Amino acid sequence: GQQVMQIPQYQHVQEGEDFTTYCNSSTTLSNIQWYKQRPGGHPVFLIQLVKSGEVKKQKRLTFQFGEAKKNSSLHITATQTTDVGTYFCAGRYSGAGSYQLTFGKGTKLSVIP
Amino acid sequence: EAQVTQNPRYLITVTGKKLTVTCSQNMNHEYMSWYRQDPGLGLRQIYYSMNVEVTDKGDVPEGYKVSRKEKRNFPLILESPSPNQTSLYFCASTQRTGQPQHFGDGTRLSIL
Repeated sequence: GQQVMQIPQYQHVQEGEDFTTYCNSSTTLSNIQWYKQRPGGHPVFLIQLVKSGEVKKQKRLTFQFGEAKKNSSLHITATQTTDVGTYFCAGRYSGAGSYQLTFGKGTKLSVIP
Repeated sequence: EAQVTQNPRYLITVTGKKLTVTCSQNMNHEYMSWYRQDPGLGLRQIYYSMNVEVTDKGDVPEGYKVSRKEKRNFPLILESPSPNQTSLYFCASTQRTGQPQHFGDGTRLSIL
C-alpha cells in the first residue's frame, strides 16, 4: 500500500529553538493533514493543505505542501514547553479508497526548559 | 458538545475471549474509522465505514470485525483476541473525505 515517510522520529530541542518535521510520499497526494497528539492524549487536527506549493501559518507554526504534492513540512518557531507532543502528517491519495488517510509514523518532540 | 466516545478506556483480558470496543459520535458524521497505535509504527487504519452498512478494510484488518448498523455507532469486535492485538485503539469520525478527523480518547487493550 501507499506509505508516507516522516522524519525525524524523535527531536529534542531547547526551549526557544526551532523545530521541523518532514513528510514524504513516493506518489502524489490529494491533500495532507497534520495532527498533534499530546502525551496520553488523542490526535487533534491542526491543518489541511490541498494546493501545490501551499503555505499556511498558525501563530508560530508554518505548514508547507510541496510543489509536486509529494512532501510536506511543519516548522515551529521558538518552541515552547506547550509544543511537546507527537506530530503526525496524514496523506490522502486520490482514486479508489480515497477516504483512507495514511499516517506517517510521527515525530515526537521534547522541549527542554 | 461534539465528541467521539469510546468504551472501555482500558481493558485487560485473556487470549480468545471475545470483546467489543464501542464507538459513538454525536456529530452526524458519515465516515468513521478505527486505528491502532503502536510504538514506532504510528497510526494504522484497521477498518473504515463510509455510511450505514458500508464498511471496508484498512491496512491492518486481520483479526478484527466491524459493523455499522446505525450512523452514530461503529463497534470494533475482536472475536478471538491474541497478544499481538495489545495496542492503543482510536476511533475517529469525519463528515466527509478531506475534512478533519475527530478522534475519541482511545482504548488501551492488553491481551494476556
